[in-house]
Amino acid sequence: DTAVSQTPKYLVTQMGNDKSIKCEQNLGHDTMYWYKQDSKKFLKIMFSYNNKELIINETVPNRFSPKSPDKAHLNLHINSLELGDSAVYFCASSQRGTQYFGPGTRLTVL
Amino acid sequence: SQQGEEDPQALSIQEGENATMNCSYKTSINNLQWYRQNSGRGLVHLILIRSNEREKHSGRLRVTLDTSKKSSSLLITASRAADTASYFCATDAGSDDMRFGAGTRLTVKP
Repeated sequence: DTAVSQTPKYLVTQMGNDKSIKCEQNLGHDTMYWYKQDSKKFLKIMFSYNNKELIINETVPNRFSPKSPDKAHLNLHINSLELGDSAVYFCASSQRGTQYFGPGTRLTVL
Repeated sequence: SQQGEEDPQALSIQEGENATMNCSYKTSINNLQWYRQNSGRGLVHLILIRSNEREKHSGRLRVTLDTSKKSSSLLITASRAADTASYFCATDAGSDDMRFGAGTRLTVKP
């Protein structure tokens, strides 16, 4: 059984479009995250949610809006996509330190 | 902002050799963790070392932590081709807020 799952795995879209990435964890963890990994493999935290409440919001453009309908889900909606948004986006969950990552969503903006 | 910084950025060794990767960080931490990322996959937790520990072992992995120098090292002994991956250190200053470095890309040649 997959602990942290993301959909879709690949996403190719045009500049200016709006897209969403979904994340679900079945570990019962309280905290979930979104990370962005660029082409140089640099992993940068974007958002952290604890029990559906936003805890960390790094300097991310407000075109990115996370939504947590319940503790097990943290979705990422991106408006007006730009070329620089192309990256791999990872969802993760944690409880007491160790993080469990999803398989990633490779977003390509053309 | 990022916290951990791995060194070297890339490392290439022969199967059977040992691989050592280093991580430096800037602020006080509760614990430091090492993760592994295979190409195209999410990160997988390897080992956690707490701030009051100096050394920890797990199978062929040995992690050291020097809080006075704000540095950690990951040693993989008797490396195998399957160890080829990127290795990230991540620091936890509390509140499940993990900060990752850019990783060391390890290549183990058969």
